[in-house]
Amino acid sequence: QQQVKQSPQSLIVQKGGISIINCAYENTAFDYFPWYQQFPGKGPALLIAIRPDVSEKKEGRFTISFNKSAKQFSLHIMDSQPGDSATYFCAARRMDSSYKLIFGSGTRLLVRP
Amino acid sequence: GAGVSQSPSNKVTEKGKDVELRCDPISGHTALYWYRQSLGQGLEFLIYFQGNSAPDKSGLPSDRFSAERTGGSVSTLTIQRTQQEDSAVYLCASSLQSLSNQPQHFGDGTRLSIL
Repeated sequence: QQQVKQSPQSLIVQKGGISIINCAYENTAFDYFPWYQQFPGKGPALLIAIRPDVSEKKEGRFTISFNKSAKQFSLHIMDSQPGDSATYFCAARRMDSSYKLIFGSGTRLLVRP
Repeated sequence: GAGVSQSPSNKVTEKGKDVELRCDPISGHTALYWYRQSLGQGLEFLIYFQGNSAPDKSGLPSDRFSAERTGGSVSTLTIQRTQQEDSAVYLCASSLQSLSNQPQHFGDGTRLSIL
């Protein structure tokens, strides 16, 4: 049962453009929504995260927009750079004793120079 | 070390063999998680440790999979009688506590290939 759906599967953006990745979740038992960036051969690295009582969070070129009523959240990368080329995963953390993360299926981003 | 350390980084073994994967969490992190990442897929939760106990094993795919943690630190994931479908990257993460606002930090994983 896929509880977090992520799109698109892949994305190509020109340098300087805006990259947008979308995620939707299926139930409300989540309390924290992180985005991870993963380069080939490396583990995921936390990029930015948001809690459901906030509608937007910005850190540098990265912004999360959160729509609690629609159960959707998105990552915007402004002024995309070739160094941003990586796989991005959204996740949702379960509000139970383990606080385990439920991940989306990932988006491969390629930023062309 | 400064980050989560996993070993080996790569493991190739024959179907039917047992394998052990090791995770050294960040010092002082009491919560430890194992996830599995199949080729081109997202991460799938396997098991969670708080200290040495594992209150959530719900993600272990079969009884061939087991894990332990000793001294509140190092964890070992064991796969017995490996099958080809076990081929994946096994990732370990740790956090200061399994509470709000404590992010999970990942190691670089063990890439397991079953021949």
